[in-house]
Amino acid sequence: QVQLQESGPGLVKPSETLSLTCTVSGTSISDYYWSWIRQPAGKGLEWIGRLYTSGSTNYNPSLKSRVTMSVDTSKNQFSLKLTSVTAADTAVYYCTREHDYSNYDWFDPWGQGTLVTVSS
Amino acid sequence: DIQMTQSPSSLSASVGDRVTITCRASQSINTYLNWYQQKPGKAPKLLIYAASDLQSGVPSRFSGSGSGTDFTLTISSLQPEDLATYYCQQSNSMPWTFGQGTRVEIK
Repeated sequence: QVQLQESGPGLVKPSETLSLTCTVSGTSISDYYWSWIRQPAGKGLEWIGRLYTSGSTNYNPSLKSRVTMSVDTSKNQFSLKLTSVTAADTAVYYCTREHDYSNYDWFDPWGQGTLVTVSS
Repeated sequence: DIQMTQSPSSLSASVGDRVTITCRASQSINTYLNWYQQKPGKAPKLLIYAASDLQSGVPSRFSGSGSGTDFTLTISSLQPEDLATYYCQQSNSMPWTFGQGTRVEIK
């Protein structure tokens, strides 16, 4: 059974960098796409971006200038960095595996999510 | 970006009712459409992918249909455990985008 677990600071100061890690268990991280998605309290879902285990990435243009994703295959982990955060970046952050089959893409499974609050 | 619009934003129905949620894309997305269920305080869960394919383990009362710009998620007989918010998501072109969600309540 594939499981994902997000980890990282729950509180980040404005203008600083948000850093999260997703640890994957139950499968090798290799040869899949892995995505980050966030959800502000009481609001909808926003796709942040994805990476393939080769290191290639695709980011949401709305966040592209501030986002970096990376992978550590030796630890079966992948990571998200979001720079220059503001209160608008306060959200629950989810990591998820992105299936890519015949150009169809979907997210399954998801981590439980981690709340990141941006506040001084 | 492709905009996804769901309707209604919320609904209340009785156990056993047939429930229909619609999702409209701002441009044609073929059948690159997925549905997720998010129960209160939990992560979203995949229900339907490629517009009509039921994810393994999902009850058969859930079904999806549509192509192009108009899609439907149907719950054939609403159960108490279906209390949740449902999201559609397009995977036709990046950035992947979601609908705003439909909250389903039980009368």
